[in-house]
Amino acid sequence: QMQLQESGPGLVQPSETLSLTCTVSGFSLTSYGINWVRQPPGKGLEWMGTMWNDGSTDYNSPLKSRLSISRDTSKSQVFLKMDSLQTEDTAIYFCVRGSKYWGQGVMVTVSS
Amino acid sequence: DVVMTQTPVSLSLAIGQPASISCKSSQSLIHSDGNTYLTWILQRPGQSPKRLIYLVSKLDSGVPDRFSGSGSETEFTLKISRVEAEDLGVYYCWQGTHLPFTFGSGTKLEIK
Repeated sequence: QMQLQESGPGLVQPSETLSLTCTVSGFSLTSYGINWVRQPPGKGLEWMGTMWNDGSTDYNSPLKSRLSISRDTSKSQVFLKMDSLQTEDTAIYFCVRGSKYWGQGVMVTVSS
Repeated sequence: DVVMTQTPVSLSLAIGQPASISCKSSQSLIHSDGNTYLTWILQRPGQSPKRLIYLVSKLDSGVPDRFSGSGSETEFTLKISRVEAEDLGVYYCWQGTHLPFTFGSGTKLEIK
């Protein structure tokens, strides 16, 4: 059964770095790409970036300078790191296999 | 970036009524591989998004056949033949043809 589970801190201080982990099961990261998508409270969905099955990455331009996505295939994990967090980065962060399988999301609040 | 214009913003329908949601892209979504990566997603209140339709018109398994998707190039439609109570939520279109991947702004379906 395909599963994705995001984990990370619920609260991050402004200007600090966000680190999230997406742990997957039921498939191999070398076979499928993983998207990171976020949703500010009460707002729509925003694609952040993709870790492709071959290990390459693509990022959404507005985030590119402060976003990094990596993976550890042996642990079936994909990592998101984003620097210089601001209050506007408060959102639910989802990892998604392709467009079909979504994690339950992790709420991240940026606040002092 | 490809802009996905989704209309209407909201719908209020009685059970049994048909529903139609439009999604127009600012450029053709035909990929160089010949596929059109247009996806429809439903986010029920308090839940993670769920994919309903991919490649314009292909229903995911378990999705009721009252849902259908159609369209080509830049104009796409999601239809529900007869709305049921469980259909309430926000519907998004999502294009995966051109980077950066982009979402429509969402259509909120309420049940009268």
